[in-house]
Amino acid sequence: QQQVKQSPQSLIVQKGGISIINCAYENTAFDYFPWYQQFPGKGPALLIAIRPDVSEKKEGRFTISFNKSAKQFSLHIMDSQPGDSATYFCAASKEGGTALIFGKGTTLSVSS
Amino acid sequence: GAGVSQSPSNKVTEKGKDVELRCDPISGHTALYWYRQSLGQGLEFLIYFQGNSAPDKSGLPSDRFSAERTGGSVSTLTIQRTQQEDSAVYLCASSPRRSNTGELFFGEGSRLTVL
Repeated sequence: QQQVKQSPQSLIVQKGGISIINCAYENTAFDYFPWYQQFPGKGPALLIAIRPDVSEKKEGRFTISFNKSAKQFSLHIMDSQPGDSATYFCAASKEGGTALIFGKGTTLSVSS
Repeated sequence: GAGVSQSPSNKVTEKGKDVELRCDPISGHTALYWYRQSLGQGLEFLIYFQGNSAPDKSGLPSDRFSAERTGGSVSTLTIQRTQQEDSAVYLCASSPRRSNTGELFFGEGSRLTVL
């Protein structure tokens, strides 16, 4: 059972464009939703995270939009740059739980 | 640096051999996680340690997989009688928080290839 579904699997965006990656979750007990960024040969690193008490969180060019009723959240990358080319993972967990559950990842390529 | 350190970075082994993968977490981090990353499968949770205890081993795929942590620090993931489907990157992460709703700090992984 896949608890966090991520789409698309891959994405190509032109430099300066907006990249949008979507995730859907099933467990309504989840209360922490991070996004991780991974460059080739490196481990994933936390990019931005949100909790369900807010509908949006912005950090620089990166924004998480959260829709609790739809059990969906998305990552928006504004003014995408070639340096943003990486694999992005959404994830979810619940307070008191153990594992952070990851989506299958989205490979983003930003063309210059 | 003081990041999570994993060794070996690459391991090639023959089917049926045993392998050990090591993780040195960030000093003082009480929580430690092992994940497996296969092509197209994302990050698959294997096991969670809090101190030396493993309250969640639910992700270990078979009894050929085991892990331990000693001194609240170093952890070893052991795969016995390796199979080709075990080929993947094994990632270790640590966290200073008891709760899993906080940042995980990942190592660069150990790439395992089973021939």
